[in-house]
Amino acid sequence: AQSVTQLGSHVSVSEGALVLLRCNYSSSVPPYLFWYVQYPNQGLQLLLKYTSAATLVKGINGFEAEFKKSETSFHLTKPSAHMRDAAEYFCAVRADKLIFGTGTRLQVFP
Amino acid sequence: DTGVSQDPRHKITKRGQNVTFRCDPISEHNRLYWYRQTLGQGPEFLTYFQNEAQLEKSRLLSDRFSAERPKGSFSTLEIQRTEQGDSAMYLCASSFGGGAETQYFGPGTRLLVL
Repeated sequence: AQSVTQLGSHVSVSEGALVLLRCNYSSSVPPYLFWYVQYPNQGLQLLLKYTSAATLVKGINGFEAEFKKSETSFHLTKPSAHMRDAAEYFCAVRADKLIFGTGTRLQVFP
Repeated sequence: DTGVSQDPRHKITKRGQNVTFRCDPISEHNRLYWYRQTLGQGPEFLTYFQNEAQLEKSRLLSDRFSAERPKGSFSTLEIQRTEQGDSAMYLCASSFGGGAETQYFGPGTRLLVL
């Protein structure tokens, strides 16, 4: 069975600081991995996805993620946080349906 | 392309009542998914359709829940005899196929059962 684990339910950073949101996956087959962002009272918006084409994936809003098979990880990073990045972030693996992690709430302080 | 739409956006009902939600996917998408999200949790899969065929249902989908996609376009999710535990955000998503294809989400229907 496929699953993802997000380490840290809350992450707080200062504006301009590095953002690192952690995601580890479990899959018996090469996975398709996704990061979604959810703003309050809204649906989910795709940030980026890994489809085995390249291990470093660049997404929207300056986010990127690196697929590391040896570490079974797909951590999300952004070099410099902005106030508008404050939201809930979900990592997911696809097995027809999406299997989501429990989410990480990112707070950005001025 | 207007994206995935859901109606209503909010629903308040009393315990024991029936409710029905509608999802309109992106027009060319053949797959349609329903998820449920409770406060502080990630979305959990409920069911999905490929065209009009319902291909998978989660164990979360009790016999009080039923979903249809009669013409392979819009879908409805009905909850009969609602319970307070049904209070959640119900999300719909659509995609063109499976695998690496992106699922696009609607804004969700927030249900509150009193």
